[in-house]
Amino acid sequence: KQEVTQIPAALSVPEGENLVLNCSFTDSAIYNLQWFRQDPGKGLTSLLLIQSSQREQTSGRLNASLDKSSGRSTLYIAASQPGDSATYLCAVGGANAGGTSYGKLTFGQGTILTVHP
Amino acid sequence: ETGVTQSPTHLIKTRGQQVTLRCSSQSGHNTVSWYQQALGQGPQFIFQYYREEENGRGNFPPRFSGLQFPNYSSELNVNALELDDSALYLCASSLDRGQTYEQYFGPGTRLTVT
Repeated sequence: KQEVTQIPAALSVPEGENLVLNCSFTDSAIYNLQWFRQDPGKGLTSLLLIQSSQREQTSGRLNASLDKSSGRSTLYIAASQPGDSATYLCAVGGANAGGTSYGKLTFGQGTILTVHP
Repeated sequence: ETGVTQSPTHLIKTRGQQVTLRCSSQSGHNTVSWYQQALGQGPQFIFQYYREEENGRGNFPPRFSGLQFPNYSSELNVNALELDDSALYLCASSLDRGQTYEQYFGPGTRLTVT
């Protein structure tokens, strides 16, 4: 059974800091890994999707890396801003059941990020 | 905006009642997945529908059921509501059912069971 863990559970930083969020997973046989942002009471906004054949993806101030063999991913946020305050969720994709493949996402519990001015 | 919509936004039901939540996928997406997110937790996979058939299921009892329609809309039905069913319900659509396809999430429906 795939399990996803995110560390730290919460993080508070001053504006302008560079920061790293960590995600680990127990089964390295994944197909992809996705990082999401969730604002309070809202749905999920996809930030970055890394396919299993890739090592990293970048979008603006965000960079996500994937190391399948060690079961780890990191999300790096450069020059953090108060608008980055949200919960960040990591999810690993893919599952096979009885020979039928389907795109199930298994999520971690998230890291609550607060960036104060 | 992902193009995935959900209704209603909020809903309050009484224990033992039945509820139907609705989702409209992005045009052309033949796969929809439903997730339950309890307060302070990550979303949990309920099931996935592909071309109007259930294509995979998480650890949820049979009182959680779904339907998918040819017009890219889908429903999540929950019978005999329990207090623990209070959560944010998210649907996600994808272009196809394979593992590599990105899932696009809707804004969710907040269900409160009293």
